[in-house]
Amino acid sequence: EIVMTQSPATLSVSPGERATLSCRASETIGTKLAWYQQKPGQAPRLLIYGASTRATHIPARFTGSGSGTEFTLTISSLQSEDFAVYYCQQYYYWPPAFGPGTKVDIQ
Amino acid sequence: EVQLVESGGGLIQPGGSLRLSCAASGFSVATNFMTWVRQAPGKGLEWVSIIYDEGSTYYADSVKGRFTISRDNSNNTLYLQMNSVRAEDTAVYYCARGLVGVTAFDSWGQGTLVTVSS
Repeated sequence: EIVMTQSPATLSVSPGERATLSCRASETIGTKLAWYQQKPGQAPRLLIYGASTRATHIPARFTGSGSGTEFTLTISSLQSEDFAVYYCQQYYYWPPAFGPGTKVDIQ
Repeated sequence: EVQLVESGGGLIQPGGSLRLSCAASGFSVATNFMTWVRQAPGKGLEWVSIIYDEGSTYYADSVKGRFTISRDNSNNTLYLQMNSVRAEDTAVYYCARGLVGVTAFDSWGQGTLVTVSS
């Protein structure tokens, strides 16, 4: 079964700085990868699918990249509302599987 | 506006049964694929089950044979029947809509908490 890993577990960033989050798949998944944002007490929100396509109404400061087994979510200039947990999810293999998440908190 | 509202969670004893509901508005559950995802307290996301527009259903190994996903097209509602529940089923259960052509999920409900405990 495919295993998704994310690094780092926690990323401390100052507002206005760039954040770079990594997601790795144990097997190649092409670009069948999505990213979600989850704030405390809220449901996840789809940010990116197809590794790099922003979902509806997602700001341009969120950029997804990568293919195969290595993927990156970049937040170009962190806003206060971006401090949250971010999950990647692969949908190349069955069943769909989420990574363990990266928490982005305020430095 | 797309909206999903879950209900039916609560405290249940191990071995018991519970049915979760997810009322949809702004789109039809009959023509979209729908899924359940759960999140144990303080943990990450775990995919549970999916139902496609043509009716096929699939389950995570952890719930196969115990949970059943279904929908009522006339009421535009998704369900998750949970039988023989275990302590490890304790989680917030989210329903979500699938993105057309992609097994990613673009609209989510607020979640309903299921606690399995004696």
